[in-house]
Amino acid sequence: AQSVTQLDSQVPVFEEAPVELRCNYSSSVSVYLFWYVQYPNQGLQLLLKYLSGSTLVKGINGFEAEFNKSQTSFHLRKPSVHISDTAEYFCAVTPSNAGGTSYGKLTFGQGTILTVHP
Amino acid sequence: DGGITQSPKYLFRKEGQNVTLSCEQNLNHDAMYWYRQDPGQGLRLIYYSQIVNDFQKGDIAEGYSVSREKKESFPLTVTSAQKNPTAFYLCASSFQGRDYGYTFGSGTRLTVV
Repeated sequence: AQSVTQLDSQVPVFEEAPVELRCNYSSSVSVYLFWYVQYPNQGLQLLLKYLSGSTLVKGINGFEAEFNKSQTSFHLRKPSVHISDTAEYFCAVTPSNAGGTSYGKLTFGQGTILTVHP
Repeated sequence: DGGITQSPKYLFRKEGQNVTLSCEQNLNHDAMYWYRQDPGQGLRLIYYSQIVNDFQKGDIAEGYSVSREKKESFPLTVTSAQKNPTAFYLCASSFQGRDYGYTFGSGTRLTVV
């Protein structure tokens, strides 16, 4: 089974400042990793994903994340945030190998609410 | 445009009544999922289906039921046995076996009074 821990439930930041949202995971098998964003009363939208290859992944809206296998982390970063980035962000994992009861199922963290202040 | 549609967006029901939430997708996705979202608890899997006429319980299936009679549709029934049904419900779909990642609907907020 997999588990995901988002280390900060809330992150306040001023506009144009950099931000990092932290995500650690636990898994006995190799995983694929995802970050989603949720605006109020809406569904989740995929920001970026790591499947293989370069450990630095770039996504939409200027976000990027770095996969660190030794530290089992997948932190999300943005060098300069905007008011419009205010939302809840979810980290998620799924096993990368076919077979097993968890195949194809995403396990989500508890979410991090990012609030950007003017 | 392809997508996944949940209806209604807001739903109010009296305690003790069953209620069915609709989820339809036209993405030709094989798999469909229902999640429940409560503040500070992330998304918890209720049921999922990887093929038509087959579905499996997730982590919090008690008090819920589903059907998958068509590839496009995966309705969720919240029964009177669900002790705390007020929540935000999200439906998602994906292809099996490639390009992982879900497409989510916009959610249904259920309030039971």
